[in-house]
Amino acid sequence: AQSVTQLGSHVSVSEGALVLLRCNYSSSVPPYLFWYVQYPNQGLQLLLKYTSAATLVKGINGFEAEFKKSETSFHLTKPSAHMSDAAEYFCAVRPQKDSNYQLIWGAGTKLIIKP
Amino acid sequence: KAGVTQTPRYLIKTRGQQVTLSCSPISGHRSVSWYQQTPGQGLQFLFEYFSETQRNKGNFPGRFSGRQFSNSRSEMNVSTLELGDSALYLCASSLALNNDLPETQYFGPGTRLLVL
Repeated sequence: AQSVTQLGSHVSVSEGALVLLRCNYSSSVPPYLFWYVQYPNQGLQLLLKYTSAATLVKGINGFEAEFKKSETSFHLTKPSAHMSDAAEYFCAVRPQKDSNYQLIWGAGTKLIIKP
Repeated sequence: KAGVTQTPRYLIKTRGQQVTLSCSPISGHRSVSWYQQTPGQGLQFLFEYFSETQRNKGNFPGRFSGRQFSNSRSEMNVSTLELGDSALYLCASSLALNNDLPETQYFGPGTRLLVL
């Protein structure tokens, strides 16, 4: 069965440093891939999604992610962290050919920004 | 355009009671999905409704049920509440989930349920 692994339940970076949040999927056929962000006491908001059009996907708030088929990865990056980026980030996949086309979610990574 | 709204935002119930949560999707969206979010289990899919029909269902007991109305508004009901049902319940809407299109789900702020 398809699964999503987010390495690190917590990631801490200093303000201004590079943010790297890891996501790996387990499928021989590349799925659709999503990154969502959840701020405290709020619902989830889409940051970006991979739809097979381009391997480097740019999202909101300066985030981007690169799809690497050989590594079955879709890591999220941001060149310079800001205090407002502190939130929980979820990677999700949706198989391209699946009658049950619900999202499969990773466990989430809490991003902590140190001043 | 108004976002997804969920009511109530917070709820406290006792074991054995039942609860009904409401979700109003974005105007024009026909698909509504429900999720349970807990610190231990993360995000778990409950069910999805499309055009008043349950289209997909997760692995939850029959105590969890839902429905969708003709205006796409959805409710979920949990009967005979257990302590473990304490969670954030999220509703998400989309135009119409399609196997060929990676549509975005838009989430509401959630209803935080505490069962005592």
